[in-house]
Amino acid sequence: DSGVTQTPKHLITATGQRVTLRCSPRSGDLSVYWYQQSLDQGLQFLIQYYNGEERAKGNILERFSAQQFPDLHSELNLSSLELGDSALYFCASSVDPAGYEQYFGPGTRLTVT
Amino acid sequence: DQQVKQNSPSLSVQEGRISILNCDYTNSMFDYFLWYKKYPAEGPTFLISISSIKDKNEDGRFTVFLNKSAKHLSLHIVPSQPGDSAVYFCAAKRPNYQLIWGAGTKLIIKP
Repeated sequence: DSGVTQTPKHLITATGQRVTLRCSPRSGDLSVYWYQQSLDQGLQFLIQYYNGEERAKGNILERFSAQQFPDLHSELNLSSLELGDSALYFCASSVDPAGYEQYFGPGTRLTVT
Repeated sequence: DQQVKQNSPSLSVQEGRISILNCDYTNSMFDYFLWYKKYPAEGPTFLISISSIKDKNEDGRFTVFLNKSAKHLSLHIVPSQPGDSAVYFCAAKRPNYQLIWGAGTKLIIKP
């Protein structure tokens, strides 16, 4: 158990809809990262927050947004969903902003039908 | 542009033998390399890492070798055990940039 929690575990929704994925980092970790893993591919970095502020942005679509709250949990919002957004979404956390060693949650599997 | 490549999608090894997983990279600015292990329905877990100033790092049954001139790293698992069956991801980092991940290699340990 990494100490990072993600909810929900599975999500099935229709195209055009909006969903929110939630992540709670390990106790004491200030950095939260979001990744997308499509079928048989590596992890694609989406966005990083450090202590409530956006720190780095990766290949995140404009339809996606995220935030980190004062209690350090984070939410990833995905809107106008398309079939191609079906993937595993992982949240990771680290104590430092550089992110050399990250601890991952179990992921949320999103299926868009 | 795949900066980190794991060219073998899968690898099958007999229990007790050595497993060697390979990773190639293109960016000479990477200064830190990590291996993560992932079981089905779980997130990746950190396994072992190596700084670019070293060429070897060992942790129990796991050893990572770095060949900077060839831009190649490898993970050796000796001896391989059934619990080692998982997907292994190689990742690389340079200062002020995010981790770049390979596509993963599925390791199957045969009894």
